[in-house]
Amino acid sequence: SQQGEEDPQALSIQEGENATMNCSYKTSINNLQWYRQNSGRGLVHLILIRSNEREKHSGRLRVTLDTSKKSSSLLITASRAADTASYFCATSNQGAQKLVFGQGTRLTINP
Amino acid sequence: EAQVTQNPRYLITVTGKKLTVTCSQNMNHEYMSWYRQDPGLGLRQIYYSMNVEVTDKGDVPEGYKVSRKEKRNFPLILESPSPNQTSLYFCASSLSRTSTEQFFGPGTRLTVL
Repeated sequence: SQQGEEDPQALSIQEGENATMNCSYKTSINNLQWYRQNSGRGLVHLILIRSNEREKHSGRLRVTLDTSKKSSSLLITASRAADTASYFCATSNQGAQKLVFGQGTRLTINP
Repeated sequence: EAQVTQNPRYLITVTGKKLTVTCSQNMNHEYMSWYRQDPGLGLRQIYYSMNVEVTDKGDVPEGYKVSRKEKRNFPLILESPSPNQTSLYFCASSLSRTSTEQFFGPGTRLTVL
């Protein structure tokens, strides 16, 4: 069953602006991961945040996690055309054997 | 280079003709998994394997088989493909089940006529 739900489904911004995507989930998690997918290609891992962490940074990426609201956000700062892709959150439940992916946010960066 | 490879990348076949999509990883990962990706439905897990000779069903296992005879290989078998199995398939691997990042293969686009 799907757990993560991304919001918005699609986002279009100008190059240089910041992009924020949100993910909500339903049950307790061990960790939450964000992945990027360029059109028709395999997913690439971006960042993992554990349930006891609140914020994590990696380059131009900033991820927050609010376990009380069961939500996470991915912020991409100073966006570039190459950031155009779909972004997925994936959650790992306690005791589960798998990741559950949301349906993704389609991000378009306009030059 | 650390990677997950899948073959074939593209396949067009007919209903009922058995096919196998191969998946291989060179990272000595224990955990491997197959997903299918469909518009509006996201990624759904088909089967996963915790280690050699250990496999289990994911969310959508009907119509698929897998095997894990060697640590590096995890083939996906469609014994009698049907048009509703037309999809984009991804193999993935990770060090352990869910606590680390998953590495994805490039995908196999399958069309069943």
